[in-house]
Amino acid sequence: GENVEQHPSTLSVQEGDSAVIKCTYSDSASNYFPWYKQELGKRPQLIIDIRSNVGEKKDQRIAVTLNKTAKHFSLHITETQPEDSAVYFCAALAGTASKLTFGTGTRLQVTL
Amino acid sequence: KAGVTQTPRYLIKTRGQQVTLSCSPISGHRSVSWYQQTPGQGLQFLFEYFSETQRNKGNFPGRFSGRQFSNSRSEMNVSTLELGDSALYLCASRPLEGAGANVLTFGAGSRLTVL
Repeated sequence: GENVEQHPSTLSVQEGDSAVIKCTYSDSASNYFPWYKQELGKRPQLIIDIRSNVGEKKDQRIAVTLNKTAKHFSLHITETQPEDSAVYFCAALAGTASKLTFGTGTRLQVTL
Repeated sequence: KAGVTQTPRYLIKTRGQQVTLSCSPISGHRSVSWYQQTPGQGLQFLFEYFSETQRNKGNFPGRFSGRQFSNSRSEMNVSTLELGDSALYLCASRPLEGAGANVLTFGAGSRLTVL
């Protein structure tokens, strides 16, 4: 089955700096890659996603890049703010089923 | 539009007992998936239901089961509880058609503590 590895497990950046979280996946049939943000005590919420026919997608301060050949995708957050502090999960989905396989999460801490 | 609703939000059980958790999806979402979230293992897929049928199953023992009703509401059951079943159980729903067909919307979760 699909296996998703996520790095780093923790990341501390200063406010205004950029943050990058990287994920690799194993199943070449995976075609949908969402990123979820989970604040402390809250539910995971989708922040951005990318499909396999696209190499990059941006939404204001966040962007995701996908390298299908290398089977990895990354989340980029620019001009980080304290409210970006949360746990971020990447995921991969193969086919049309909703069996998302999640990475183990990255705890991002944005310090003042 | 109401979000995904899970009940109960918190519960405490003892080893050997069984528990039933409930999930009401977003109106119009016919698929319901369940995930177990623990600090050590992250988010792990349990199963997915739509049209009242289990469509996908993760690598969990048979003590974990679920069902879906004709109104798309879903329940999951864990029998013979073990200490390791302590976790946040998240339900997520999605539509089956359209641009958002792959997008899962999560509920707030049911936090189960097994003593």
